[in-house]
Amino acid sequence: DVKVTQSSRYLVKRTGEKVFLECVQDMDHENMFWYRQDPGLGLRLIYFSYDVKMKEKGDIPEGYSVSREKKERFSLILESASTNQTSMYLCASSGHGYTEAFFGQGTRLTVV
Amino acid sequence: AQSVTQLDSQVPVFEEAPVELRCNYSSSVSVYLFWYVQYPNQGLQLLLKYLSGSTLVKGINGFEAEFNKSQTSFHLRKPSVHISDTAEYFCAVSTGFQKLVFGTGTRLLVSP
Repeated sequence: DVKVTQSSRYLVKRTGEKVFLECVQDMDHENMFWYRQDPGLGLRLIYFSYDVKMKEKGDIPEGYSVSREKKERFSLILESASTNQTSMYLCASSGHGYTEAFFGQGTRLTVV
Repeated sequence: AQSVTQLDSQVPVFEEAPVELRCNYSSSVSVYLFWYVQYPNQGLQLLLKYLSGSTLVKGINGFEAEFNKSQTSFHLRKPSVHISDTAEYFCAVSTGFQKLVFGTGTRLLVSP
């Protein structure tokens, strides 16, 4: 079974903290993505990566950065968490020639 | 750039009734189309996809969708819904270059 695993299901962090969200896939996929999901707004792409050490900004990259040091792992970093970053974060991966994305279970982040 | 419109934010329906969830897309090039389902507090799971070929696509759990190029639509249908179909449904489009663009989602509420 294909698998995308996010390190935490629920996180509570304080304003100003540096936050790391980790994602690992076991499908040897080239592409990995971080989405943010908010009610009424659907899924919005934060960043994606099409290869190790490569990254591209999505639609809402402000306040976020990413790291991809190994093919299977893609990290989302909130440099200084703010309350407006309280959201559900979804990681996904897809293979070469791209036909569909596989999603992790999501991390619900609350910033207080 | 591509975009996806899901006009209905919520669709209430009685059990065993038919349902249609609407999706329209905008793109200047050929597209791939997807429907995903999200159960509460979970990630997204692929229901079905259109890549090429037959415009009627069958997916899991008895769902199907029809690609209509002239109307730029990809509506999702099920002839008889079950309580367990209660979830949020997302339509998504891709041109094949790595990333998906999602609609804002439709919440399907099935009542007995």
